[in-house]
Amino acid sequence: GENVEQHPSTLSVQEGDSAVIKCTYSDSASNYFPWYKQELGKRPQLIIDIRSNVGEKKDQRIAVTLNKTAKHFSLHITETQPEDSAVYFCAASKGGSYIPTFGRGTSLIVHP
Amino acid sequence: EAGVTQSPTHLIKTRGQQATLRCSPISGHTSVYWYQQALGLGLQFLLWYDEGEERNRGNFPPRFSGRQFPNYSSELNVNALELEDSALYLCASSPDATNEKLFFGSGTQLSVL
Repeated sequence: GENVEQHPSTLSVQEGDSAVIKCTYSDSASNYFPWYKQELGKRPQLIIDIRSNVGEKKDQRIAVTLNKTAKHFSLHITETQPEDSAVYFCAASKGGSYIPTFGRGTSLIVHP
Repeated sequence: EAGVTQSPTHLIKTRGQQATLRCSPISGHTSVYWYQQALGLGLQFLLWYDEGEERNRGNFPPRFSGRQFPNYSSELNVNALELEDSALYLCASSPDATNEKLFFGSGTQLSVL
């Protein structure tokens, strides 16, 4: 089955810095890559996603890039703010099963 | 529009007991997923239901089971509880079996003593 590795497990940055979280996947048939944000004590929420026919997608301060050849994708957050502090999960899924496999999460801490 | 709701919020059981967790999907959503979130292990897939049928299950023992009702709500049953079953159990729904975008509930925190 699919295996998703996520790094780093913890990321500490100063407010205003950029943050990058990286994920690799094992199944080349995977074609959908969402990112979820889970604030402390709250439910995971989808913040951005990308499909395999697109190399990059942006939404204000967040962007996701995908390298199908290397089978990795990354979340980029620019101009970080304290409210960006949360656990971020990447996931991968392929058509037919529609069961996203999640990475173990990255705890992002943004210091004011 | 109401989101995915789960009950109870917290559940305390002792080893060997049985636990039942409940989930109501967003109105109109037919697919329900269950995930276990144990500390440091991310989201581990448990079960997927759609239109009342079990579509897939993750790598968990048979004492983890569930069902989906005609109104698309779902329950997760865990029999013969073990200490390592202590975790946050998250339910998610999606509009249908072809839609990969998941909407999560706030979870049930299960503690096994």
